[in-house]
Amino acid sequence: DSGVTQTPKHLITATGQRVTLRCSPRSGDLSVYWYQQSLDQGLQFLIQYYNGEERAKGNILERFSAQQFPDLHSELNLSSLELGDSALYFCASSVDWGRTIQYFGAGTRLSVL
Amino acid sequence: AQTVTQSQPEMSVQEAETVTLSCTYDTSESDYYLFWYKQPPSRQMILVIRQEAYKQQNATENRFSVNFQKAAKSFSLKISDSQLGDAAMYFCAYRSADNYGQNFVFGPGTRLSVLP
Repeated sequence: DSGVTQTPKHLITATGQRVTLRCSPRSGDLSVYWYQQSLDQGLQFLIQYYNGEERAKGNILERFSAQQFPDLHSELNLSSLELGDSALYFCASSVDWGRTIQYFGAGTRLSVL
Repeated sequence: AQTVTQSQPEMSVQEAETVTLSCTYDTSESDYYLFWYKQPPSRQMILVIRQEAYKQQNATENRFSVNFQKAAKSFSLKISDSQLGDAAMYFCAYRSADNYGQNFVFGPGTRLSVLP
C-alpha cells in the first residue's frame, strides 16, 4: 500500500457528463500529480499541485481541471466527457515539489459509454 | 522535450533466470532522475528502482539492478532470479531535476512474462 488513496476505484458514465476524481496524498506529502493512462497514449502527465498551488502542467485538456485543497487532497474534474477519455487516472504524491520519489495510488478506472 | 524509448514491447524469461529490459532516453539536461516502475495486473504503479544521473554507481535493489550509461543515454533494468510475481508491465521514466521539471516522462512499457 503506497499510502495514496484514490476514489472511486471505478466510474462508469455517459458522454457529455462531468465527473470528479478524488485523491488523498500520503501523510506529509505536499505535492500531488495526476496522470492519465490510456491504451493508445500510454502514461501521460496531466498536472501537478504543490501545497495548494499549480506547479506544472502537462498534456491536460481544457475540459479537465484540478485543484488541491487546504487539507492537501486533490480533485480532478473531467467535463464534457468523450469516449476517448476512458482511461485509468492515477494520482501520485511526493514530499516536496521536485526531487523526491512519487508514490502512486491504485488509480480510478473511468469508462465513458 | 525529453523522450523515453523502450524498444521491447514484450519479453519473456524462465523462472529463476535473468532478464534485461532496455530503455533509452533523449535529453539535453545534465541533472535528472531515472526510474523503473512496475505495473502488475492490479494496475498499481510500483517503484522498482531509482537512479540519480550525477551518481556513477549503478543502483541496486535486491534482485533488481540497473546499467546506467549516461553518455549513451541508456538505462537498462536487470532482474535476477526471476520470480512469477515479477510478471508485469515495466515502465522506464525520466524526470528533470530542475525546479520546474516536475513532469515525469514515461516510456511505452515492456510487458514481461515469467514462465514456470
